[in-house]
Parts: sequence; structure tokens; C-alpha cells
Amino acid sequence: DAKTTQPNSMESNEEEPVHLPCNHSTISGTDYIHWYRQLPSQGPEYVIHGLTSNVNNRMASLAIAEDRKSSTLILHRATLRDAAVYYCILRDFETSGSRLTFGEGTQLTVNP
Amino acid sequence: EAGVVQSPRYKIIEKKQPVAFWCNPISGHNTLYWYRQNLGQGPELLIRYENEEAVDDSQLPKDRFSAERLKGVDSTLKIQPAELGDSAVYLCASSLRLAGPTDTQYFGPGTRLTVL
Repeated sequence: DAKTTQPNSMESNEEEPVHLPCNHSTISGTDYIHWYRQLPSQGPEYVIHGLTSNVNNRMASLAIAEDRKSSTLILHRATLRDAAVYYCILRDFETSGSRLTFGEGTQLTVNP
Repeated sequence: EAGVVQSPRYKIIEKKQPVAFWCNPISGHNTLYWYRQNLGQGPELLIRYENEEAVDDSQLPKDRFSAERLKGVDSTLKIQPAELGDSAVYLCASSLRLAGPTDTQYFGPGTRLTVL
């Protein structure tokens, strides 16, 4: 599986935008970029996914570099509830089936 | 809509004892997963079911771990006997269908196992 690299931790202030980076320099043309997050004492939850184009949903935006070697998850206005571990995951059905291969993720702290 | 249900939420046992975890997926989801999450790490897949068939169990330590999903709905993961290194959170997830790299997995809250 192609590997992702994320900072161990990041900090933000409430109501400010947050940009969470992910490097995936060995990404293949068929890899989708997924983001999940895990709130304290809960299971992971889906945030967003994309292939080549930037994506928006009610939770966040995903900006994908033109060469697809990196991506950024954008939380437009962080709230205290967004404090979580954020995982950037590459998924290629052909090689990894339906499994999610998690790394260690980025621990996001949101300050009031 | 009810989410993925797991029980118990917490379990403390002594080493060499057996333990079982139960999972009820979201209604209609035919794919079910068991993951294990060690402290400070991301979850790792143990086994994946398509209906009642285990289709990916390459990461399941088969000497002591077993799983079943008899009627293609709820599932049980068992450890016998438990070892100290089995202390972790055991997560169950489900998805609607094997949709390839875009399907969404829905996770339960997990069972935190402590082996003394």
C-alpha cells in the first residue's frame, strides 16, 4: 500500500481555519485519498474523500495537489468538537480490497 | 438510524482467560470488519466479512483469535486464551457494499480490553 506522512500534532484556535497536510509521494493513479477522524473514546468516522479534483462537503474541504503527491484537509472554522486524530488514507481497491490502512494520524488540538 | 453497536464497552480479564466481543452492524450493511487499535496507533484490520464469508483474515492471529458471522448480520470476535499484549481497543465497522475505494466504513465505539 502507498504510504502517507502526516505531522504528529497540530494546534488551532476555535473559529479559525485549520489546514491539515498529508504527503503521499508514492501515490498511484488509482489511489483514492480518504480522510477519517477519531474523536476521543469513539471509533473513526468518515470525513471526505477525493481522487483528483478538490472536494467539499458539510464537514470539510479536500484540496489535492496537481501532481497528487500531497493533499490538505481544510476545516473552515474549527470548533472544540473538531479536536480529534485525523487520518489520511490511500485506498486502491485493486491491491488492498476494502481495508482501510491507518497510519498514526495527526492529533488536532483546538484552543478556546 | 442506529449506528454500529458493540458490547461490552469495557472488559478487564486476567491473562489466559477467554473473552468475546459482539458487534451488530448497521441494518442492511453486508460488509463487516473487525479492527484492533493499540494505544497511540491507528486501527489495524483483523478480519473482513462479506455476508457470512470471511474474505480477508490474513491479519487475524488464528492460534488464539476466532470470529464468526453466522447469519450474515451480527458478529462475535473471540480470544482464547488472552495474553497481556492483547490489551487494545477492538473496533467493529460496517459498510453498505463492496463499492471499491469509495465505500464509507461506519465504526462502532469499540470495546476496550485490558488483560492483567
